[in-house]
Amino acid sequence: SQKIEQNSEALNIQEGKTATLTCNYTNYSPAYLQWYRQDPGRGPVFLLLIRENEKEKRKERLKVTFDTTLKQSLFHITASQPADSATYLCALPGSSNTGKLIFGQGTTLQVKP
Amino acid sequence: DTAVSQTPKYLVTQMGNDKSIKCEQNLGHDTMYWYKQDSKKFLKIMFSYNNKELIINETVPNRFSPKSPDKAHLNLHINSLELGDSAVYFCASSPGQGITGNTIYFGEGSWLTVV
Repeated sequence: SQKIEQNSEALNIQEGKTATLTCNYTNYSPAYLQWYRQDPGRGPVFLLLIRENEKEKRKERLKVTFDTTLKQSLFHITASQPADSATYLCALPGSSNTGKLIFGQGTTLQVKP
Repeated sequence: DTAVSQTPKYLVTQMGNDKSIKCEQNLGHDTMYWYKQDSKKFLKIMFSYNNKELIINETVPNRFSPKSPDKAHLNLHINSLELGDSAVYFCASSPGQGITGNTIYFGEGSWLTVV
């Protein structure tokens, strides 16, 4: 069955550094991958979508890569700020053609001033 | 101005009770969802509706019954609540079914605690 793995351990970094979060998946080949941000007590908020034919996508200080050979996506936040502290979820479509999204467990990022 | 709004935000109820969570979206989207996030933070889809038609029905107990009176509303009714139903329930919507990759817009969540 499809499986998504994100590092369940929190990532602690210093302000100004680049944060890199990893999303690995197994047992299928998704046509796209999405990243969401979730703050405590709030719903997830969409950040970026990258398609299988795109190697990299950028949005302001965010960069996402998608390696379909390694079955991995990396999510980078450059010049991180304390306001970037949140849980980041990756999501991939399910194998059935219903638009179902499967979410990873999320990685919590803590940026220290 | 809230895009996806759900009520109530917090709900504490006793085992065996029946409760409903209401959801409305003002984005004009065709597809709506219910997701459940458990204590380990896993976010799992329960149901999706496209233009009032049930599209996705995951392995969810029959005690959970979604109802979509129109494409802007998707309510969730839960019968005979059990302790294991305690979780955060998120309503969401997207422009289409997301088959080619749609953004999903989530509500703020409804915290259900069964005691």
